[in-house]
Amino acid sequence: QQQVKQSPQSLIVQKGGISIINCAYENTAFDYFPWYQQFPGKGPALLIAIRPDVSEKKEGRFTISFNKSAKQFSLHIMDSQPGDSATYFCAAVFGNEKLTFGTGTRLTIIP
Amino acid sequence: DTGVSQDPRHKITKRGQNVTFRCDPISEHNRLYWYRQTLGQGPEFLTYFQNEAQLEKSRLLSDRFSAERPKGSFSTLEIQRTEQGDSAMYLCASSPTTGGGTEAFFGQGTRLTVV
Repeated sequence: QQQVKQSPQSLIVQKGGISIINCAYENTAFDYFPWYQQFPGKGPALLIAIRPDVSEKKEGRFTISFNKSAKQFSLHIMDSQPGDSATYFCAAVFGNEKLTFGTGTRLTIIP
Repeated sequence: DTGVSQDPRHKITKRGQNVTFRCDPISEHNRLYWYRQTLGQGPEFLTYFQNEAQLEKSRLLSDRFSAERPKGSFSTLEIQRTEQGDSAMYLCASSPTTGGGTEAFFGQGTRLTVV
């Protein structure tokens, strides 16, 4: 049972553009929503995270927007750079325990 | 390097053989997690430990899989009688108790290929 749905599966953005990745969840008990970045041959690395009592969180060029009523959240990467090319996973956590991941978005930034 | 360490990085084995992977977490982290990631998918939870106690196991963890963390430090994941469907990346993560899964730090994984 997939509890976190992620789209798109792949995304191509021009350098300097905005990359947007969307996720939706089903379980309203989830109380923490992190985003992970994964490069080929590496493990996922925590990028940014948000709790449902906040509608937006920004860290540098990365912003999470959260819509609790719609059970949706998204990652925005501003001024996208070639070094941002990676696979991005949204995730959800209940009670400080295991991560439930989305299926991932392969992001490619082109010059 | 004080990150999560996994060994080996790659393992090729014949169907039916047993394999064992090792994970060394960040030293002050109480929690240790095992995930499995297949190509084009997100990591899927297998099991986790709080110190030496195994607190939860996923239904993905069939009876051919066993995980241990005997002294609350490193952990091993053993797969008996491997099948081709076991081919995947096996990821280990650790976190401090207060952060739980929200502040999990991942190792680079062990890529298993069953031929």
